[in-house]
Amino acid sequence: DAGVIQSPRHEVTEMGQEVTLRCKPISGHDYLFWYRQTMMRGLELLIYFNNNVPIDDSGMPEDRFSAKMPNASFSTLKIQPSEPRDSAVYFCASSPRTGMVNEQFFGPGTRLTVL
Amino acid sequence: QKEVEQNSGPLSVPEGAIASLNCTYSDRVSQSFFWYRQYSGKSPELIMSIYSNGDKEDGRFTAQLNKASQYVSLLIRDSQPSDSATYLCAVNMIGGTSYGKLTFGQGTILTVHP
Repeated sequence: DAGVIQSPRHEVTEMGQEVTLRCKPISGHDYLFWYRQTMMRGLELLIYFNNNVPIDDSGMPEDRFSAKMPNASFSTLKIQPSEPRDSAVYFCASSPRTGMVNEQFFGPGTRLTVL
Repeated sequence: QKEVEQNSGPLSVPEGAIASLNCTYSDRVSQSFFWYRQYSGKSPELIMSIYSNGDKEDGRFTAQLNKASQYVSLLIRDSQPSDSATYLCAVNMIGGTSYGKLTFGQGTILTVHP
């Protein structure tokens, strides 16, 4: 089975530009998560969806960030306008609903550099 | 207090030794606990999950959970240089809108030297 797919793998952009990151979760998984990882702050949850509905977006840093999940097999994370402090690795993860155990499986990540 | 805290690293052990990684968490109602391994430049990879008190063994890995002490650990026996990575502890804070959400520790860097 294919794992979580993310694109692009690397993105270099200039400050002020719009950035769109894409994710395809594992087929059949009900939950989708967007994380950001930096050396200073570690792995931070930005937002997560259950059955395409946003459940908790308290980790989204500010209004410049938005996420959508139009269907069960696709999600986007958009940053507009981007700033240098947004430079990080962004991971998407998905999880099946399996009772108490919520094992999450991560995609390869998108390394974003904002100049 | 951080919600999930891991023992500060980096941790260096010789090949063949036991590596012990520790994690404490603040939410008493947490139910599920996970250890992820992350190689440099790669994504986190799930290696162990545990949700009952006691030990859970999988090959060279043993996860230990003590809910009364709010403590979870990972032991790696017969450590190999290929085990050198950052190990992330993650806790599922259940209840209300938090179902499904994991909170991660900062990670412990493990180096196994030949």
